[in-house]
Amino acid sequence: QKEVEQDPGPLSVPEGAIVSLNCTYSNSAFQYFMWYRQYSRKGPELLMYTYSSGNKEDGRFTAQVDKSSKYISLFIRDSQPSDSATYLCAMSAGDYKLSFGAGTTVTVRA
Amino acid sequence: SQTIHQWPATLVQPVGSPLSLECTVEGTSNPNLYWYRQAAGRGLQLLFYSVGIGQISSEVPQNLSASRPQDRQFILSSKKLLLSDSGFYLCAWEGDTKNIQYFGAGTRLSVL
Repeated sequence: QKEVEQDPGPLSVPEGAIVSLNCTYSNSAFQYFMWYRQYSRKGPELLMYTYSSGNKEDGRFTAQVDKSSKYISLFIRDSQPSDSATYLCAMSAGDYKLSFGAGTTVTVRA
Repeated sequence: SQTIHQWPATLVQPVGSPLSLECTVEGTSNPNLYWYRQAAGRGLQLLFYSVGIGQISSEVPQNLSASRPQDRQFILSSKKLLLSDSGFYLCAWEGDTKNIQYFGAGTRLSVL
């Protein structure tokens, strides 16, 4: 079993729709949770991070962490074609190392 | 502000040739530095990390090595490339907020 599971998609939505992404994990020691956006042939760009459980909102993006279920989510409201990318979840137990999901490819259709 | 530079962006090398990829970070001191490889459709695989000059930890035994000759410089090397070394190599640094990493633009390596 992988430490972090993420559905690779692909996910295709019309412009303006809500994009819902999620990851599950098995290591209960994870405390830091991150979402990265990666455009084709580019390095990952940090979108959001949260510590422990709870919600965090930044503009059109909302990150949620449910440690009891070992489940994290990222929601993108009012999606735009420029949101088309691969989204990677990542998490850490605080030991210098990040564990990554495989990434979900999202296409927002104009 | 802090920035990370990684070069070259693209590299095509024959099997058996040496490799040197360089990564430098600006605007910070004594950062934790990381090398990852990303295969198509798969997550990022940690190759090496460094918490200081000359301090290298290897995560995956393989045909690669890393060095940190200066505080903000991290180098990924190989003496003889294999076909299986092809991939997208990413350098990352850990910011002031621990456990949060920021990535460079990556190097796409093709070994032919």
